[in-house]
Amino acid sequence: DAMVIQNPRYQVTQFGKPVTLSCSQTLNHNVMYWYQQKSSQAPKLLFHYYDKDFNNEADTPDNFQSRRPNTSFCFLDIRSPGLGDAAMYLCATSRGGTGLILREQYFGPGTRLTVT
Amino acid sequence: RKEVEQDPGPFNVPEGATVAFNCTYSNSASQSFFWYRQDCRKEPKLLMSVYSSGNEDGRFTAQLNRASQYISLLIRDSKLSDSATYLCVVNGSPGGGADGLTFGKGTHLIIQP
Repeated sequence: DAMVIQNPRYQVTQFGKPVTLSCSQTLNHNVMYWYQQKSSQAPKLLFHYYDKDFNNEADTPDNFQSRRPNTSFCFLDIRSPGLGDAAMYLCATSRGGTGLILREQYFGPGTRLTVT
Repeated sequence: RKEVEQDPGPFNVPEGATVAFNCTYSNSASQSFFWYRQDCRKEPKLLMSVYSSGNEDGRFTAQLNRASQYISLLIRDSKLSDSATYLCVVNGSPGGGADGLTFGKGTHLIIQP
């Protein structure tokens, strides 16, 4: 079945130790997103790739970076995780729309990050 | 004003009842609207897109009111399995990008036997 896969599902890292989360998709969607979701809060968009074009949200900290080496894979790098970065990180994909029309997004199961 | 606003609930509803949620959005230029469902500690899953003319999928009906900038979700004959958090989602992100989605915090629904 076509799907969005995230690895690992659970990640523990130490304060300040760089960590990379990965996402892959078999949907052949051209848009990939990273969201951060903290407990009892809405998912918050960090950035997205529209094909190879990287789009950073204005309020995403510099501590968060992303790479998309090909259509299928996208990575989230947290350069120096702080305690406040503990959250669920969700990857999503969609087929890009035109103008303001946006097609539905499909989410992976998420990676739950713990910072000790 | 929040970008996308929902009553967080919880809504405690007996099985078989009809329940409705509203959601208001602030970006009048938004063109795409969705309802997602999220179970505890799981990822959001698309429930339905919301079209201008309104749309129905089984027991679920979604409506869009552009003039008042709100969307609604109606669930008929509610089942125990409908217990979840329902997220109202609108295109356009607080950072200004049109390709992102802005999520409401969700409405928590509990169906009671």
